[in-house]
Amino acid sequence: KQEVTQIPAALSVPEGENLVLNCSFTDSAIYNLQWFRQDPGKGLTSLLLIQSSQREQTSGRLNASLDKSSGRSTLYIAASQPGDSATYLCAFQGRGSRLTFGEGTQLTVNP
Amino acid sequence: NAGVMQNPRHLVRRRGQEARLRCSPMKGHSHVYWYRQLPEEGLKFMVYLQKENIIDESGMPKERFSAEFPKEGPSILRIQQVVRGDSAAYFCASSQGRQETQYFGPGTRLLVL
Repeated sequence: KQEVTQIPAALSVPEGENLVLNCSFTDSAIYNLQWFRQDPGKGLTSLLLIQSSQREQTSGRLNASLDKSSGRSTLYIAASQPGDSATYLCAFQGRGSRLTFGEGTQLTVNP
Repeated sequence: NAGVMQNPRHLVRRRGQEARLRCSPMKGHSHVYWYRQLPEEGLKFMVYLQKENIIDESGMPKERFSAEFPKEGPSILRIQQVVRGDSAAYFCASSQGRQETQYFGPGTRLLVL
């Protein structure tokens, strides 16, 4: 059974700090790894998708990396802003099409 | 291009009633997925459908829950004889292809009294 773990569960940082969110998965037969953002009471916004053949993807201040051999992905957020405050979810996609989600990291960026 | 649409956004039902949740995928998307987020828990896969076909329903409870995605119209997640434990946020996602980026709707928050 695929398990996805996110560390830390919660993170509070001052504005401007660079930060790293971690995601680990147990199944090496990965097809995609997708990072999402969820605001309270809202749906999910897709941030980045890394295919198994890729090592990283970048979008603006966000950079996601994938290391299949160690079963890890990281989401790097540069120069954090209060508007980045949200819950960040990573989701594993294997041979099937379902996404298996981690429990999320709740990020608070303090002005 | 409108995103994934779900309605209603909020639904209140009494125990024993039926709940019908609707999902319209993004234009050009023929793959639909339903996920459930229970209070204080993570998102869990329920069912994956393509037009007129259920591809994977391994995450769906065996009783009271059903899903469809007809040739015309939205996908429907139906919960019969709701119980308090069904209270959750139900999210629909769609994709263009089988293992492409899934785009999520805003969710339907079901409250069972």
